[in-house]
Amino acid sequence: QVQLVESGGGVVQPGRSLRLSCAASGFTFNTYGMHWVRQAPGKGLEWLAGISFDGSTKYYADSVKGRFTISRDNSKNTLYLQMNSLRTEDTAVYYCAKEWSYYYDSSGNCLDYWGQGTLVTVSS
Amino acid sequence: DIQMTQSPSSLSAFVGDRVTITCRASQSISSYLNWYQQKPGKAPKLLIYAASSLQSGVPSRFSGSGSGTDFTLTISSLQPEDFATYYCQQTFSPPRTFGQGTKVEIK
Repeated sequence: QVQLVESGGGVVQPGRSLRLSCAASGFTFNTYGMHWVRQAPGKGLEWLAGISFDGSTKYYADSVKGRFTISRDNSKNTLYLQMNSLRTEDTAVYYCAKEWSYYYDSSGNCLDYWGQGTLVTVSS
Repeated sequence: DIQMTQSPSSLSAFVGDRVTITCRASQSISSYLNWYQQKPGKAPKLLIYAASSLQSGVPSRFSGSGSGTDFTLTISSLQPEDFATYYCQQTFSPPRTFGQGTKVEIK
């Protein structure tokens, strides 16, 4: 069965960095795109970043572009989110999610499996 | 960026009621629209993809429709376990924006 397990969350001061990991199992990791989505306390879902199956294509939300970097290590079945210059407004639960393409083009996809999330708190 | 607007933001209904949630995109997104359900303290769950296709294992009381800019999620007969927040998401173009969510409460 598909499993996605995030780790690396915690309390960090504003301006510092943190790297999140998402360990994947139960599917052929190197054939699926992956994404990060976050949810601030009491708020809705915010899509952050996506990466293609081979890591060659990456895209970001404007709110994190230039500060966050999505990457993957297919040899380790692991997805990463490097977060730099953290701000208090980055406080949230961070989810990784597996992409499933139901259509051949780059738009025909959805997030069919999600991890349980890891909490990042940015506070002095 | 494409903006997704859901309505209502919240609703309260009786068990057995038919419930409809709408999602409007700021530009045409064809049928590249997904719906997710999130229960408190849990990760979101995929319900509907491609605007109207039911994800495997999802009860048939859930259905989706629409194309272009206007979409709906319908629960034909609301059940107690449907208490949750529902989100639409467009995948027409990055960033893959979500709607703000619709919280469904059981009367």
